[in-house]
Amino acid sequence: DVKVTQSSRYLVKRTGEKVFLECVQDMDHENMFWYRQDPGLGLRLIYFSYDVKMKEKGDIPEGYSVSREKKERFSLILESASTNQTSMYLCASSLLDNRGYNEQFFGPGTRLTVL
Amino acid sequence: RKEVEQDPGPFNVPEGATVAFNCTYSNSASQSFFWYRQDCRKEPKLLMSVYSSGNEDGRFTAQLNRASQYISLLIRDSKLSDSATYLCVVNGRATSGTYKYIFGTGTRLKVLA
Repeated sequence: DVKVTQSSRYLVKRTGEKVFLECVQDMDHENMFWYRQDPGLGLRLIYFSYDVKMKEKGDIPEGYSVSREKKERFSLILESASTNQTSMYLCASSLLDNRGYNEQFFGPGTRLTVL
Repeated sequence: RKEVEQDPGPFNVPEGATVAFNCTYSNSASQSFFWYRQDCRKEPKLLMSVYSSGNEDGRFTAQLNRASQYISLLIRDSKLSDSATYLCVVNGRATSGTYKYIFGTGTRLKVLA
């Protein structure tokens, strides 16, 4: 069974704090993704990574950074949390392929509230 | 124009009904298409991939129309357990040459007893 886990289900932080969201997958997938999901806006890609130490900006990278030091782990960092970063954060992983045919497997999500 | 557009619904249908959702996409170069299902407060899970020739999985049928750039999902004999949000997903080329996935905002289905 593919498993993607995220470090917290719920997180409450204060404005200006540095926030780390961790994601771990156990399927040896090359691709890992961070999305945020907001009502009416759907899932929006923040960053993704197709290999260790490789990263690429998604559609809304501003205010976020990522780290992928090991294949199984992909971290999302909010350098200075702001209230507009209150959201559900979803991590996903998939096998790498050159045509984008592969299924993504999602973690359970982290609901982050920034006060 | 959004890259992937869906009617947000909700679609309220009685048990046993047939219901269809459409999704339009803007990038004619997209090569792969999916429907994901997301239950309330849960993560999305793959329902089915959509192939050029159309494909069926039990009560679910997916179709692709490249000329008009839309995909569809048909659910026959709706069950209460089909109540969920259905997300249309289309792939797109990323800067690195790999692919990323673009999600629609989802169509909410409620099957009523």
